[in-house]
Amino acid sequence: GQNIDQPTEMTATEGAIVQINCTYQTSGFNGLFWYQQHAGEAPTFLSYNVLDGLEEKGRFSSFLSRSKGYSYLLLKELQMKDSASYLCAVLDSNYQLIWGAGTKLIIKP
Amino acid sequence: DAMVIQNPRYQVTQFGKPVTLSCSQTLNHNVMYWYQQKSSQAPKLLFHYYDKDFNNEADTPDNFQSRRPNTSFCFLDIRSPGLGDAAMYLCATSRDRGTTDTQYFGPGTRLTVL
Repeated sequence: GQNIDQPTEMTATEGAIVQINCTYQTSGFNGLFWYQQHAGEAPTFLSYNVLDGLEEKGRFSSFLSRSKGYSYLLLKELQMKDSASYLCAVLDSNYQLIWGAGTKLIIKP
Repeated sequence: DAMVIQNPRYQVTQFGKPVTLSCSQTLNHNVMYWYQQKSSQAPKLLFHYYDKDFNNEADTPDNFQSRRPNTSFCFLDIRSPGLGDAAMYLCATSRDRGTTDTQYFGPGTRLTVL
């Protein structure tokens, strides 16, 4: 079966750095997405990785290791507005998005 | 601004009373998706349209139907809503189904079933 695992909840302090991990087992791989979802709102696109390595985009970076079936999202200089759920999703061999349940990130002052 | 629009944002219906949710897009994307998302769960794909080609997920209940009368609009019909159908319904679009085609989401419709 297809499976995406990520921690259910994480807590971090404003101004700090946090890393949200995602491991996956899917039938085929055509890329991995990270989305941010604030409570009661739709997911918004953060990043896409299809090759191994680190992609940096401002305060957010995303890393992929295809051989390990592993990705992480790194958030730097945390702000209160970063409190949200972060969803990892993998595009499988049928170009369907397989979603993780999301990691709820709580930022404390 | 080009975007994905969903109406209504909040919908309340009675048990068994049919309801229709709508989605429109100004992105001119070929693919439109309907997801169901319950609290603290991953979005669950119900179906998607690739242009006019309808693709139903195997585990989508028959109670859920969809229509795409043109490129811009897509509707989700719930014929006889049950209490278990209370959820956020998300519409998304993508330019195509290739590897770099990001899905863009509308704001969602939160459905309450009384």
